[in-house]
Amino acid sequence: ETGVTQTPRHLVMGMTNKKSLKCEQHLGHNAMYWYKQSAKKPLELMFVYNFKEQTENNSVPSRFSPECPNSSHLFLHLHTLQPEDSALYLCASSQDGQGLSGNTIYFGEGSWLTVV
Amino acid sequence: AQSVAQPEDQVNVAEGNPLTVKCTYSVSGNPYLFWYVQYPNRGLQFLLKYITGDNLVKGSYGFEAEFNKSQTSFHLKKPSALVSDSALYFCAVRDIGSSASKIIFGSGTRLSIRP
Repeated sequence: ETGVTQTPRHLVMGMTNKKSLKCEQHLGHNAMYWYKQSAKKPLELMFVYNFKEQTENNSVPSRFSPECPNSSHLFLHLHTLQPEDSALYLCASSQDGQGLSGNTIYFGEGSWLTVV
Repeated sequence: AQSVAQPEDQVNVAEGNPLTVKCTYSVSGNPYLFWYVQYPNRGLQFLLKYITGDNLVKGSYGFEAEFNKSQTSFHLKKPSALVSDSALYFCAVRDIGSSASKIIFGSGTRLSIRP
């Protein structure tokens, strides 16, 4: 039990499909993140939400669309993905956004995405 | 600009021996430093962090790390390795000298403990 729950854990989708990844945090945090982890590449920060407002979009293609309805929930909507988008997508949360603090980021178990 | 480097892709250690996983960083101000561990098919788990104070930081599962400002390093250590320590380890840094800075993760070091 990590305090950050991601569903589904595994997803296979075609390039024309629309799907969503869901993340919920039970830690009372105000900031939530999406990271992408691909084989042999550093962890890539995709989006940051702080108090439900998007504060970071790290040049992510528009086929990835985040949604943060409240501080506890974060979605990643997926549309017309490419095979190279196949990766582990990690959701995370922290007490607040990446401001002047050493707040620890806590990760979920990840959602394995395969685009065929 | 801030950066973090983990110079070793893989570290192999015999069970019972001490282990070290290396991390060096570059920041313009002072750093916040973190270590995370990732077991197979799992997310990243927080191990320990250095914010301020004692240079030697103790964390979960018997791990510790030493902040060395002069060498800009934050190596992860454990006195006696266990097979169950085999995993992927990530170092991360944030430059507190810049309010806009992000937490940057290293590329990871795979630790393999042989029985």
